[in-house]
Amino acid sequence: GQNIDQPTEMTATEGAIVQINCTYQTSGFNGLFWYQQHAGEAPTFLSYNVLDGLEEKGRFSSFLSRSKGYSYLLLKELQMKDSASYLCAVMDSNYQLIWGAGTKLIIKP
Amino acid sequence: GAVVSQHPSRVICKSGTSVKIECRSLDFQATTMFWYRQFPKQSLMLMATSNEGSKATYEQGVEKDKFLINHASLTLSTLTVTSAHPEDSSFYICSAVELAGGPHEQYFGPGTRLTVT
Repeated sequence: GQNIDQPTEMTATEGAIVQINCTYQTSGFNGLFWYQQHAGEAPTFLSYNVLDGLEEKGRFSSFLSRSKGYSYLLLKELQMKDSASYLCAVMDSNYQLIWGAGTKLIIKP
Repeated sequence: GAVVSQHPSRVICKSGTSVKIECRSLDFQATTMFWYRQFPKQSLMLMATSNEGSKATYEQGVEKDKFLINHASLTLSTLTVTSAHPEDSSFYICSAVELAGGPHEQYFGPGTRLTVT
């Protein structure tokens, strides 16, 4: 079966760095996505990785290792507004998104 | 950037009635639109894939006669929840894939909060 695993909840301090991990097992692979979702809102796109390596975009970076079925989202210089759920999703061989349950990130002052 | 709108953003209806939710791609043409449902503290669950001009493909366990999907044009898809019941109360989100973009060019609407009383 297809499976996406990520931690349920993480807590970090304002100004610090946090890494949210995601492991996956899917039928085929056409890229891995990270989305941010604030409570009561739709997800917003953060990053897309289809090749191994690190993609940096401002305070957010995303890493992918296809051989390990592993990705992480790295958030630097955390701000209170970064408190949200972070969803990992993999596009399978049918170009459908398989979603993880999301990681709720709590930022403390 | 690509924008997807949903209407209404919130709706409260009585049990047994039907509710229609619209999903529009405002500045691009979408070959494919997806309909998701999200219950509190859970991830998105794909309900169906809607392709313009053809019948929607429903995920296992989703009743196609209850959740009617119409993708009449490259910019509009509608989801009608028929004979709604309290257990249908959820956050419904659509997303659209741009015609000219790659498979990863998927844009989400802001969602519709449905409450069935």
